[in-house]
Amino acid sequence: NAGVTQTPKFRVLKTGQSMTLLCAQDMNHEYMYWYRQDPGMGLRLIHYSVGEGTTAKGEVPDGYNVSRLKKQNFLLGLESAAPSQTSVYFCASSYSKMRLAGNNEQFFGPGTRLTVL
Amino acid sequence: EDQVTQSPEALRLQEGESSSLNCSYTVSGLRGLFWYRQDPGKGPEFLFTLYSAGEEKEKERLKATLTKKESFLHITAPKPEDSATYLCAVQAKNGGSQGNLIFGKGTKLSVKP
Repeated sequence: NAGVTQTPKFRVLKTGQSMTLLCAQDMNHEYMYWYRQDPGMGLRLIHYSVGEGTTAKGEVPDGYNVSRLKKQNFLLGLESAAPSQTSVYFCASSYSKMRLAGNNEQFFGPGTRLTVL
Repeated sequence: EDQVTQSPEALRLQEGESSSLNCSYTVSGLRGLFWYRQDPGKGPEFLFTLYSAGEEKEKERLKATLTKKESFLHITAPKPEDSATYLCAVQAKNGGSQGNLIFGKGTKLSVKP
């Protein structure tokens, strides 16, 4: 099993350009998440999905859109990139989310390092 | 507001020098506390989940413990390959976080040979 994979690994954008980050998981997980990680800030949740066709906002959703057309894929879009979106983006997935015990742990991809000039 | 604080921010140890990392939390009902390891340039790697006060889990040189207010990650006789950033996250039963993980800023551990 590949686990959680992310494409691309690195990207440089100019302000105002758009792009899509792709996340794929082969663990048949229901839940998928997009985080950003900035120095001194820790991991912050951007958007998440509780199943195919559903998405929800996390802590820092502004400037991002997401789609979950297939259970195994979760896409993160930047319509008009800004320098403040320079960050490392991580995708994660989990089997469940609200169980009393067990299977709530999230598994992370290797990350995408995005620079917006 | 649900919150996680990790200390220290950075810790330097000699090989074989045991120590502990701290994760203090405030949540509106704890569903679970998670420990992750993150190597430079990589994604977080899951280590442990703890669900109730008094629970302990071990993996090689690592042992995680949980109380009602904090968790400790004990590292016994560390080796250089244990060098990494260790992240703590909590999941609340209730409140505005909707069951999503709330992460601390991490403790960067360096183990010198």
